[in-house]
Amino acid sequence: AQSVTQLDSQVPVFEEAPVELRCNYSSSVSVYLFWYVQYPNQGLQLLLKYLSGSTLVKGINGFEAEFNKSQTSFHLRKPSVHISDTAEYFCAVTKGGSYIPTFGRGTSLIVHP
Amino acid sequence: DTAVSQTPKYLVTQMGNDKSIKCEQNLGHDTMYWYKQDSKKFLKIMFSYNNKELIINETVPNRFSPKSPDKAHLNLHINSLELGDSAVYFCASSPVPQTEETQYFGPGTRLLVL
Repeated sequence: AQSVTQLDSQVPVFEEAPVELRCNYSSSVSVYLFWYVQYPNQGLQLLLKYLSGSTLVKGINGFEAEFNKSQTSFHLRKPSVHISDTAEYFCAVTKGGSYIPTFGRGTSLIVHP
Repeated sequence: DTAVSQTPKYLVTQMGNDKSIKCEQNLGHDTMYWYKQDSKKFLKIMFSYNNKELIINETVPNRFSPKSPDKAHLNLHINSLELGDSAVYFCASSPVPQTEETQYFGPGTRLLVL
C-alpha cells in the first residue's frame, strides 16, 4: 500500500516570498509523483510530475519539485509567489500495478499582499 | 474548447431524490474517472472506465451507478440521495490507464443534499 502525507494543511506567505510545500510518501516499490493545483471553484490541473531521470522537475507557473528517494519526499517550491498562486495544492503518487493516484490531503497556499 | 466538461456545476436537492451528473471529454482519451472530494478536500476515486468498460469500482454504495455510452462520456446517476452524498464530484480522463499518465479534471459538480 502507498500513502501520501502533506505535512502542512495551510501555508500563509507574503507575495514575492519563497515557498515550500512538503510531501512525503511511503511505498516499498518505485513510484511516480505528481503535484496538482486546484484554484478556487475549479478542477485540479497538473503542475509537474516525476517519472524518471533528473530529480529536479520544473513545472508550470515557475514551480519546481525535487524527488528525494532516500527521504521519500517530493517537496514543491517556488522562489517568489504571486497572489494568483493562492490555491489548494495536492501531491499524488502512483505505482506499478495501479494507475489510480493516491492523493494527499492537500495544502492550502494563501498568498498575502 | 473545454477539455473535460461537467453538468451541472451546482446541484441542490432533497434527500431521497435521484439525480444525474454528466461528463464529456474531447481529448480523445480512453480512460475516464469519477472522484469525490469531501468537505475537507480529500479526493477519493469512485470509478474508472476504460473504453466504456468499468475497470475500477472502489467500494461505492450501489446507489451510485456510472454509465459510459461511449468513451467520450461518463455519467453518474445517484439514487436515493443522502446527506452524506454532499460533496464535490469530479470527472477526469487520461489517455490510457497507465501509472505515468496525467489526469485531466473537469471543473466539478457541487452537490448539496438537504
